[in-house]
Amino acid sequence: KNQVEQSPQSLIILEGKNCTLQCNYTVSPFSNLRWYKQDTGRGPVSLTIMTFSENTKSNGRYTATLDADTKQSSLHITASQLSDSASYICVVSRMDSNYQLIWGAGTKLIIKP
Amino acid sequence: DSGVTQTPKHLITATGQRVTLRCSPRSGDLSVYWYQQSLDQGLQFLIQYYNGEERAKGNILERFSAQQFPDLHSELNLSSLELGDSALYFCASSPGAGGSYEQYFGPGTRLTVT
Repeated sequence: KNQVEQSPQSLIILEGKNCTLQCNYTVSPFSNLRWYKQDTGRGPVSLTIMTFSENTKSNGRYTATLDADTKQSSLHITASQLSDSASYICVVSRMDSNYQLIWGAGTKLIIKP
Repeated sequence: DSGVTQTPKHLITATGQRVTLRCSPRSGDLSVYWYQQSLDQGLQFLIQYYNGEERAKGNILERFSAQQFPDLHSELNLSSLELGDSALYFCASSPGAGGSYEQYFGPGTRLTVT
């Protein structure tokens, strides 16, 4: 079954600290993996898209890694800021006729001052 | 600002009613996607249109329907509304139909069914 599982479900850290969010998937055949940031009540915003051949991709203080062999991805946030408080969603695209997107449930991150 | 617009921002209606949500994609984008997000839940893919044609279908109820017009804007019609239909409805657009394209999300329409 094509699934995307994220952990932890929620996370609280202090401003300035680093954190890592995890994503495990069983989607096959794999096309690409995305990380989105969703502020409460707003539409998701893309952080990164990674294909099979990419191991690491950075976007400012956000760094995503992908291990296609173990079907795991992580999103590392460096020097967290209050504005990083949001849900982070992992999405995997299947390489089928419709390039179906399989959405994870998200990790809710809260940054405390 | 993603360039995707959705109207209205908020909608309050009663059970059994019918509503229409509207989405205008980014300039040049041919694909439109509709998603539903209930309170504290993840996004649920409903349906995708590409250049006027239905491309993919997700967990869309039979009471819901959508279409994409020649000018590429899209409408999502929700009928016989139930309390459980209360949610945020997002529209996204992308240049092409495939999953390799970035999706750009609109600000959403918050539907409250009373």
